Amino acid sequence: SQTIHQWPATLVQPVGSPLSLECTVEGTSNPNLYWYRQAAGRGLQLLFYSVGIGQISSEVPQNLSASRPQDRQFILSSKKLLLSDSGFYLCAWSGGANTGELFFGEGSRLTVL
Amino acid sequence: GQQLNQSPQSMFIQEGEDVSMNCTSSSIFNTWLWYKQDPGEGPVLLIALYKAGELTSNGRLTAQFGITRKDSFLNISASIPSDVGIYFCAGSGSGTYKYIFGTGTRLKVLA
Repeated sequence: SQTIHQWPATLVQPVGSPLSLECTVEGTSNPNLYWYRQAAGRGLQLLFYSVGIGQISSEVPQNLSASRPQDRQFILSSKKLLLSDSGFYLCAWSGGANTGELFFGEGSRLTVL
Repeated sequence: GQQLNQSPQSMFIQEGEDVSMNCTSSSIFNTWLWYKQDPGEGPVLLIALYKAGELTSNGRLTAQFGITRKDSFLNISASIPSDVGIYFCAGSGSGTYKYIFGTGTRLKVLA
């Protein structure tokens, strides 16, 4: 069966420090991969998605970037965090071929101080 | 970013009551998904819908893909305390890999 895992689960970082959140999917190949951010008590905002290795689509201009160095690995990064980057970050995957079911990881809580 | 209109925003109900919530979009969707999220966790997929008019059940949950393809509905029958959480709808249109999410319905069940 397919599984998705992201880490770290919780992160507290000072303003101006770098960020790296990692997500991996097992049990499938060539998945579509996604990063969403959820502010407290709010809905999910799509940040990035990827349909293949090295292919990244950005949805909103911001202080973050994403990379997909391997088929089932998706990384969210920042060189210098801002206070406004705080939130709950969620990685997700779908089975490709346009649309279908979307499955989420456990989430990563980022607090920037 | 773009979001779907989801209502109600929150609701308190008595245990045993039925619950209804809906999502509407200005765009036509090919896929509707419904999720439940518990505090501090990722959303869990409840039901997926792929055809206009489709009615799909998962236990006490039933969801429908609207005929216009611009809306979807989720019903929970005989609610229980563990139904507490935030329910999200999500939609995806033709020719896109993107899923757009609703603003969420926060459900609180009074025992």
